[in-house]
Amino acid sequence: QVQLVQSGAEVKTPGASVRVSCQPSGYTFNTYGINWVRQAPGQGLEWMGWITPSNGNTNIAQKFLGRLTLTTDTSTATIYMDLTSLTSDDTAVYYCARTQLLDYWGQGTFVIVSS
Amino acid sequence: QSALTQPASVSGSPGQSITISCTGTSSDVGSYNLVSWFQQYPGKVPKLMIYEGHKRPSGVSNRFSGSKSGNTASLTISGLQADDEADYYCCSYAGSNSFVFGGGTKVTVL
Repeated sequence: QVQLVQSGAEVKTPGASVRVSCQPSGYTFNTYGINWVRQAPGQGLEWMGWITPSNGNTNIAQKFLGRLTLTTDTSTATIYMDLTSLTSDDTAVYYCARTQLLDYWGQGTFVIVSS
Repeated sequence: QSALTQPASVSGSPGQSITISCTGTSSDVGSYNLVSWFQQYPGKVPKLMIYEGHKRPSGVSNRFSGSKSGNTASLTISGLQADDEADYYCCSYAGSNSFVFGGGTKVTVL
């Protein structure tokens, strides 16, 4: 069955960077694109960006340009999200979600940014 | 992109039907038949309920239906049940592998 398994929770200080991983299984890794979506506590869902694993092409939401990098490691079939210059506003649950349908989601990774 | 516009809350009694609207622009909802709807319980992962505007994934009740007119998509829940009480989000493709979500609607079953 299709699963997307994400890395564990992170606690970071303001100004730091965070890397969250997403490891799909149950299908051919480079067949489908992956979205990254976040949800701040008590808030709605926010689309952050997309990566096409087969060629590494990305599309990053305007709000995150310059701070967000999406990459893939085909040897381990893992997708990475790197977010830099963290502030308290980046405290959120970060999700990876498959395809243009966002049909399968990872379990979420809680990133806390606090001094 | 600006977020799609959803009502903050919608309520209904058991057995009734409710409709949640999702208004975008001609650059997203109006241009593509790629609106999805997600159900999310508190502390849980969002679940895909409707895709491509009106299609239901396997296992989703046929009480959930989707439609679109112009720049507005809608989700209708018929025969409202207690476990339909959750947050609902619309999401539209906006071109070039980009997406935009609505602000979310809290559904309350009275």
